[in-house]
Parts: sequence; C-alpha cells; structure tokens
Amino acid sequence: QSALTQPASVSGSPGQSITISCTGTSSDVGGYNYVSWYQQHPGKAPKLMIYDVSNRPSGVSNRFSGSKSGNTASLTISGLQAEDEGDYYCSSYTSSSSPYVFGTGTKVTVL
Amino acid sequence: QLQLQESGPGLVKPSETLSLTCTVSGGSISSSNYYWGWIRQPPGKGLEWIGSIYYSGSTYYNPSLKSRVTISVDTSKNQFSLKLRSVTAADTAVYYCARPLYAGGVAGTWCFDLWGRGTLVTVSS
Repeated sequence: QSALTQPASVSGSPGQSITISCTGTSSDVGGYNYVSWYQQHPGKAPKLMIYDVSNRPSGVSNRFSGSKSGNTASLTISGLQAEDEGDYYCSSYTSSSSPYVFGTGTKVTVL
Repeated sequence: QLQLQESGPGLVKPSETLSLTCTVSGGSISSSNYYWGWIRQPPGKGLEWIGSIYYSGSTYYNPSLKSRVTISVDTSKNQFSLKLRSVTAADTAVYYCARPLYAGGVAGTWCFDLWGRGTLVTVSS
C-alpha cells in the first residue's frame, strides 16, 4: 500500500487561505469517507484536526475545514496564522492490503 | 483524563528486537472497544502506521512490517506492547502509541486523537 500523495510544501501570508491536497485512489480516499488530517509541530506528537473528511474534533478552530472530490481530499486553512506553521498529514482507510495509510506530509510555511 | 506513555530502550542493536510498551493511565484499556495503535516517524520523515490491536486482541499490521511485528495487549497491566524483530538502521524512529477518537468501527477507519509523547529508538551498534 503506497502512501497518499501530498504536496511537499505549501505557503501563504497571514490572513490568506491555503489548501493542501491528498490524492489517493478509489480503494482509499475516493471510496470511503474516512479521511483524517493531522497537524504536527516540531518535536510534538501529531494533533487530529479533521476526521471523516470534514468533521472537526472539539477544540479545533473553525478556520480548518476538510472536503473531498473524487480521489482527492483537501484541507483548507483560512485566515492563516503564524501558529499554523508545521507539518500536515492526511490519512485514510484503505480496502487494499493495509487497512490504514498516511499521506506523504506537507510542510506549511507562513510567510 | 486518559493518557498514553511509551516506554522502552532508546538504543537497540541491529538484528535484535525492539520492544516498547504503551501504558494507559486515567482509564481502563479494556473498558471500551477501542483499537490501540502504534505509529512511527523516522527522523525528518513522515508518519508510518505500524499496526493496531483491538481491545479483544485482534491485530492488524502494516503489510510492509507484518513479518517482523507483534502487537499484544496486557489488560492486567493496562498496557499494550510492540515488538519489532530483526531491526536495522531504517527502523530508527520516534515511536508513538495512539488511540482513535471513537471506539469500535471497522478496522482502519481510525482517526487518532489521543497520542503519547513518543519515544526515540535508535538502531545502532
């Protein structure tokens, strides 16, 4: 099972919106609504930001939103803030040989 | 409040077995039908799911590691454990234990919202 494909880096200025893509196949992202997004700051454990494509856990800012179209899921961060800098990973259920897979990760830089 | 804490040797020799334990505090590991997972991250690289164990003992492994991995649960100690055999330098990573946001469900439909702090394991002679 190959990792889901994410852009290596995305950047934006404070206040702008950015979108991170997560591309898979019909066996994972495209076939099921079990996509999650994680934020990770250096030296810290990942933090769940979005689950089941578009749901936010309690306490996560509504500046973070998730969506899906076909085999690609997206995480949008609106009103970008300095604290949003970090690495972001998507994950998905997969019906292939492994039931779970992470994305390759995206480094978000706030200019 | 439920917390997870990884423990184990920080240095393992090549070809030996990496053994880690995740201790669950603030709640019982067997009180709800959760899956409990292990995830690792090599230095400077991305996350890799290693495997998960259901509270009943059913296990699910990453196919790329399946031949070398065993995950088990000890409800009497409120712990679950990871063993990775025949390690090489490529197994050097921060190892996390984690639990999904909600219990039950189909294996793989996980969204890990509770994580340990992680423990760095270096494979070197």
